[in-house]
Amino acid sequence: NAGVMQNPRHLVRRRGQEARLRCSPMKGHSHVYWYRQLPEEGLKFMVYLQKENIIDESGMPKERFSAEFPKEGPSILRIQQVVRGDSAAYFCASSQGSDQPQHFGDGTRLSIL
Amino acid sequence: AQSVTQLDSHVSVSEGTPVLLRCNYSSSYSPSLFWYVQHPNKGLQLLLKYTSAATLVKGINGFEAEFKKSETSFHLTKPSAHMSDAAEYFCVVSDRSGTGKLIFGQGTTLQVKP
Repeated sequence: NAGVMQNPRHLVRRRGQEARLRCSPMKGHSHVYWYRQLPEEGLKFMVYLQKENIIDESGMPKERFSAEFPKEGPSILRIQQVVRGDSAAYFCASSQGSDQPQHFGDGTRLSIL
Repeated sequence: AQSVTQLDSHVSVSEGTPVLLRCNYSSSYSPSLFWYVQHPNKGLQLLLKYTSAATLVKGINGFEAEFKKSETSFHLTKPSAHMSDAAEYFCVVSDRSGTGKLIFGQGTTLQVKP
């Protein structure tokens, strides 16, 4: 009974490159949330998706960031033209519904050179 | 709007002594409250949740929390700390807009001394 799987665990990019972060929810979960943990800060909500739909993206930066959760395959958080300030730990969580507990993956730690 | 405030950024206890991690919430609704724990370089693990049933909530690993509406508090306690309890603890409230997105406190680092 695998939990939430995130890959890669660590990702290094140079400024201006693209970063793709993947999240496979727990079996039976169709709700996915992405959170970002900046150094010395708590976690902040970014985006909430259900299969093929973005439900709430109020926490996403307006530029360079996008997310998807296709009918088949993992959810993807994409950051284009990365900058130093994007260095953070990105966590994915999944649940069976918006009123159900969220289960977290181990995160992807993104470092920008 | 919902929010949570963790009153201590760092708590240090000796092994075998009680643990108290403090959290106050602000919510215009009856809130759903959680405590999560994060060990270094790991994801977050749910310790316990309050969803308007019993005010005293028992969680995993001997932790419990009491919801006190009059004090708007949801403090986390454990009678006897273990070395493996050393970690970052987050008090969390669920947004009641219907999305279920979580609003995190700033976290409390628990240090357990031998």
